[in-house]
Amino acid sequence: DIQMTQSPSSVSASVGDRVTITCRASQGISSWLAWYQQKPGKAPKLLIYAASSLQSGVPSRFSGSGSGTDFTLTISSLQPEDFATYYCQQANSFPLTFGRGTKVETK
Amino acid sequence: QVQLVESGGGVVQPGRSLRLSCAASGFPFSSYGIHWVRQAPGQGLEWVAVIWYDGSKKYYGDSVKGRFTISRDNSKNTLYLQMNSLRAEDKAVYYCARERLSGSSWYSDMDVWGQGTTVTVSS
Repeated sequence: DIQMTQSPSSVSASVGDRVTITCRASQGISSWLAWYQQKPGKAPKLLIYAASSLQSGVPSRFSGSGSGTDFTLTISSLQPEDFATYYCQQANSFPLTFGRGTKVETK
Repeated sequence: QVQLVESGGGVVQPGRSLRLSCAASGFPFSSYGIHWVRQAPGQGLEWVAVIWYDGSKKYYGDSVKGRFTISRDNSKNTLYLQMNSLRAEDKAVYYCARERLSGSSWYSDMDVWGQGTTVTVSS
């Protein structure tokens, strides 16, 4: 199985900050990586697919990059509604696997 | 609108069975693969299973293989998860989620999610 290592597990930030979250796969997954946002009590929401493609309706302050084993999610200017937990997911092979999540908290 | 609605969760004793349902609306259900993903209390997301749009292929996570069965009824726009031999560690919110379709290709990320149904395994 492909293991997804996400870091940091939490980050404290302020509105307007640039936030970067990384995800590393235990083996190469090309660009088959997705990022999700989840708020408490809610279902996850797809933000980025294929490592760098923005899902329809997602603000352009979200961006993704990387290929192979190393990936990054960047929020260019953190907004109040962006405080949430973010997960990466490899979509390369079954079983699908998620990172353990990064909680973006208020500084 | 495009929607997935889970049901069937509840409290069940260890070793017993439960069947979850996921009703789809607002999109051509029979054209999409559908996943089950679960989330234990305070924990991250765990992929459970997927079924192809036509039911021809099914894959399972290691922790549920041999105990859970995914199926679908395209005439009813409904997905199922039959859960047998339930364990305490199966306690979670269970989400169904639609596989992303782009052009004529399916991708194993999930663009539409239900609100989840809660399963509690306790004696």
